[in-house]
Amino acid sequence: GAVVSQHPSRVICKSGTSVKIECRSLDFQATTMFWYRQFPKKSLMLMATSNEGSKATYEQGVEKDKFLINHASLTLSTLTVTSAHPEDSSFYICSARDRADSYEQYFGPGTRLTVT
Amino acid sequence: QQQVKQSPQSLIVQKGGISIINCAYENTAFDYFPWYQQFPGKGPALLIAIRPDVSEKKEGRFTISFNKSAKQFSLHIMDSQPGDSATYFCAASMLGGYQKVTFGTGTKLQVIP
Repeated sequence: GAVVSQHPSRVICKSGTSVKIECRSLDFQATTMFWYRQFPKKSLMLMATSNEGSKATYEQGVEKDKFLINHASLTLSTLTVTSAHPEDSSFYICSARDRADSYEQYFGPGTRLTVT
Repeated sequence: QQQVKQSPQSLIVQKGGISIINCAYENTAFDYFPWYQQFPGKGPALLIAIRPDVSEKKEGRFTISFNKSAKQFSLHIMDSQPGDSATYFCAASMLGGYQKVTFGTGTKLQVIP
């Protein structure tokens, strides 16, 4: 089956620093990747949609300059949280779609970010 | 228009019982309705999905019932087991690579022995 990995699984960083989260599709090429944020006991909130080689499309209310998304290849997308603050602490999840004519998204295992 | 409403927020079921989670949507353009299972600290995993051209889909102990006219769909877990204890999300989307998935608010299921 289609597998999506994320690295790191957990990260702790100091306030004001930047942290990068990687999302990789291991056995397929992802036409589109999605980044979600999930607060404790809450649903997934879509942050942005990215396609290889083009700029990400951000959801309303998501700061583009704060959450930098790079989709450099068909198997790798990165989310960089810049100048992180404690309120950025959250569970970040990526997903990937393998075909433009596919409904299904394959989700990564998530990354727990804690900003101290 | 893009909202998917889910209930109940939490559910406690005895082992062997039937767990039922309900969802309702508004956007009639949605044509794919998946259910995801999420364990604590993990990403969601697809459990079962249905298209609106059928009223029911069954996979093992999991069944989706779909009512297109009422714009409602539900997940039934038969013979619920403690290992089914997780958070379940209904969702809806449309065909197309860029189409996003709209998630329900989630139901935390606890199956007690």
